[in-house]
Amino acid sequence: DQQVKQNSPSLSVQEGRISILNCDYTNSMFDYFLWYKKYPAEGPTFLISISSIKDKNEDGRFTVFLNKSAKHLSLHIVPSQPGDSAVYFCAAWDRGSTLGRLYFGRGTQLTVWP
Amino acid sequence: DGGITQSPKYLFRKEGQNVTLSCEQNLNHDAMYWYRQDPGQGLRLIYYSQIVNDFQKGDIAEGYSVSREKKESFPLTVTSAQKNPTAFYLCASSRGVEQFFGPGTRLTVL
Repeated sequence: DQQVKQNSPSLSVQEGRISILNCDYTNSMFDYFLWYKKYPAEGPTFLISISSIKDKNEDGRFTVFLNKSAKHLSLHIVPSQPGDSAVYFCAAWDRGSTLGRLYFGRGTQLTVWP
Repeated sequence: DGGITQSPKYLFRKEGQNVTLSCEQNLNHDAMYWYRQDPGQGLRLIYYSQIVNDFQKGDIAEGYSVSREKKESFPLTVTSAQKNPTAFYLCASSRGVEQFFGPGTRLTVL
């Protein structure tokens, strides 16, 4: 059963506009969240993260928002650029667990067109 | 340069043969992971190891085996028992929460 869900498999945005990628989770013990970006035939690369003690984290054009009560987080990319076209994975971690693993969503394919 | 290497980039095998995928890291990370990516399925965890000589099954361990004899190395064997072995395989390592991924190996079973 998926504990991290990305319900939109794809998103298409015009260059310069905002891209909003969404992620929901079911496990209330998750307390750290990460976003990864992946190009075809390459490994994912870390993009940005947020701890559950915060509701927002910003890094340049990328901002992640966390709504703990709704068990929802979102990644905002402003302005979107063609080079942002990739698959974005949301991941969650339970720091109190001894399992020591991330739980990934299925990813959202972002396409930024000129 | 520190990083994770996976070799080869592309691998072809005949059905019924076991095949071992290589993963090496020089980041001095304790934990290592193997994932499988299929279209529309995201990243699914096969096996992971938090320390040398210890490893745990992930969500889809059936048909796979691993070993962790050295901190730097975490090879994955895809056995003939794996029903759908053709996929893109990713290895990762971590010291804390953030995982660093290798470039992946595309395995095609003919």
